[in-house]
Amino acid sequence: ELKVEQNPLFLSMQEGKNYTIYCNYSTTSDRLYWYRQDPGKSLESLFVLLSNGAVKQEGRLMASLDTKARLSTLHITAAVHDLSATYFCAVEDSYGQNFVFGPGTRLSVLP
Amino acid sequence: DVKVTQSSRYLVKRTGEKVFLECVQDMDHENMFWYRQDPGLGLRLIYFSYDVKMKEKGDIPEGYSVSREKKERFSLILESASTNQTSMYLCASNTFSYEQYFGPGTRLTVT
Repeated sequence: ELKVEQNPLFLSMQEGKNYTIYCNYSTTSDRLYWYRQDPGKSLESLFVLLSNGAVKQEGRLMASLDTKARLSTLHITAAVHDLSATYFCAVEDSYGQNFVFGPGTRLSVLP
Repeated sequence: DVKVTQSSRYLVKRTGEKVFLECVQDMDHENMFWYRQDPGLGLRLIYFSYDVKMKEKGDIPEGYSVSREKKERFSLILESASTNQTSMYLCASNTFSYEQYFGPGTRLTVT
């Protein structure tokens, strides 16, 4: 059974600082997705990582995938308040039809 | 742009009522999903469908049924609503091995 973990679950950081969110999963997969959710809103796709070593960057966020370690990271550079949200990773199962979501990391960026 | 729409943003129903939640996508996606999201429990998959008239149970199908008569439309049915079904319901769609696109969500309250 595919399980997905994230840490930390809660993250409070100051503007301008760097930090990394980790996503671990339990079985072989080479497809991983990152989403953002603002309070009271739905999920918005951030990154799609489809192979070992994949790296994607958008603004202050950079995501990477290591399929051998079953690990993805979401790195935040010089955080700003607008990045405050909950971030989910999701891993596609081996059948290619189902996503398993991590529990989410609630990020608060303080001025 | 991919668009996933849900029939209601907010819904209040009484215990025992039959509830229909509808989801429509306009991108000809094969797969459609229903999740519920509760604080501290993350996203949990209720049902998904990979083709018209096909459905698969997710992690928490009890108390729910689904219908997919047309490719673009996926309905979630609560046969007899109960208070423990008060939740945020999210619909999503994708084509194989691509990210899921989410609708705006329906916040259902059962009293």
